[in-house]
Amino acid sequence: DTEVTQTPKHLVMGMTNKKSLKCEQHMGHRAMYWYKQKAKKPPELMFVYSYEKLSINESVPSRFSPECPNSSLLNLHLHALQPEDSALYLCASSQGFLDYEQYFGPGTRLTVT
Amino acid sequence: KQEVTQIPAALSVPEGENLVLNCSFTDSAIYNLQWFRQDPGKGLTSLLLIQSSQREQTSGRLNASLDKSSGRSTLYIAASQPGDSATYLCVVGGGADGLTFGKGTHLIIQP
Repeated sequence: DTEVTQTPKHLVMGMTNKKSLKCEQHMGHRAMYWYKQKAKKPPELMFVYSYEKLSINESVPSRFSPECPNSSLLNLHLHALQPEDSALYLCASSQGFLDYEQYFGPGTRLTVT
Repeated sequence: KQEVTQIPAALSVPEGENLVLNCSFTDSAIYNLQWFRQDPGKGLTSLLLIQSSQREQTSGRLNASLDKSSGRSTLYIAASQPGDSATYLCVVGGGADGLTFGKGTHLIIQP
């Protein structure tokens, strides 16, 4: 299984809502990533987990809260988002930290109203 | 700080042509370089990964080269097909910057 899955595929939320994005992989990868991608722009790295520990936080606002409950699962908890947070959120995984091929999920299209 | 530049930003060619996409980076101290394709609104599909010690990788009609000393990589697509239409991203890995993405080349193959 060489797949990274993400749920939901689409999410519409109000600025006062709390929601979560989920990412899962069963390739035994020990590094997992969250990216944010705006239209016609390249993905921007948000967080990197290595061996279930947060290794990189690219100065992301606290309204985004990542969680890595186990080596196969990565969550992104959302609270009090702004309309400018609307974007495609991509999850990725790799065997090792930085040094290996990354596998990307299909993304969650988030719209904040 | 690593910077990755992709040229051209957009390219439209007739079906069947061979084409080259270019990627340059400013810091040669990299771990690897990866080429992805992205279809509109979709995730990224890995095409080729070149480790820092390698010079090139091939997969089917695709060939990617890496010249670390000059900070350049090229993605060569042979006998282009309409299904190759997508955005191609060059991603450099390594160093304190972690991963750095280029802005992509938007490719259209005309039937």
